[in-house]
Amino acid sequence: EPEVTQTPSHQVTQMGQEVILRCVPISNHLYFYWYRQILGQKVEFLVSFYNNEISEKSEIFDDQFSVERPDGSNFTLKIRSTKLEDSAMYFCASNGLAGGETQYFGPGTRLLVL
Amino acid sequence: QKEVEQNSGPLSVPEGAIASLNCTYSDRGSQSFFWYRQYSGKSPELIMSIYSNGDKEDGRFTAQLNKASQYVSLLIRDSQPSDSATYLCAVRFSGGYQKVTFGTGTKLQVIP
Repeated sequence: EPEVTQTPSHQVTQMGQEVILRCVPISNHLYFYWYRQILGQKVEFLVSFYNNEISEKSEIFDDQFSVERPDGSNFTLKIRSTKLEDSAMYFCASNGLAGGETQYFGPGTRLLVL
Repeated sequence: QKEVEQNSGPLSVPEGAIASLNCTYSDRGSQSFFWYRQYSGKSPELIMSIYSNGDKEDGRFTAQLNKASQYVSLLIRDSQPSDSATYLCAVRFSGGYQKVTFGTGTKLQVIP
C-alpha cells in the first residue's frame, strides 16, 4: 500500500543551523502539507503546497521556513536558522483530490534543536 | 479563530466496553471531518472520515456527525487494550482550502 515516507527520522542540530526535512508523498497525490507537533501539544498546520506553489500557510510559517518540490517525488521543508522552539515532530502529509479527500501522514521527523 | 475542541482525558474504559469520544467545532460551514489515532511518538493514522450527518460504521468504529450541533463523535465497540492511544479529531473548515485543524486529542486507556 502506498505511503508517505520521511527522512531523517531524527535530526539533532545546533541553534542557528539550517535543516532540511525531506518527504516523499504518495505518488499520485497532488496536495502536500507540513504539520508540526511540539511534545505534548496538538498537531499544527504549517503550510500546504499545490501546483508547485504554496496555497496556504499559517502564522507559524514565517520567513525562516521554506518549502520546495525539487523534483517529481520529493517535498522538502527548510528551516533556515533553527531556534530552540523549533524542536518538534514534523509531519508531512499528502492527499489526492480537492474537497474532502483524506490526508495521509508520514512517520515524522523528530527535530531537536540544542 | 476556528477551533476544534476535545476533552483531553484520559478516558478509561474496561476491555470489551464501548468508548465514546467527542469533538465540537466552531465553524458551522465545515464539511469534512476526520478521526485519527495517534500512538505515543508516532504519526496520526486515519480511522475514519465523515462528511454527512448521521452515522458511519467501519468495523468496531462508528463516527457520528451532527452539523446543526457542530458535534462529531467516535464510538469504539468492544474496546481492546491495543486501542489505547490518543484520538485526534480533525476538521477541514470552510474557506480553509485543504488544511485540517486538529483538536488537542483525547487519550483513551483500555483497562484489561
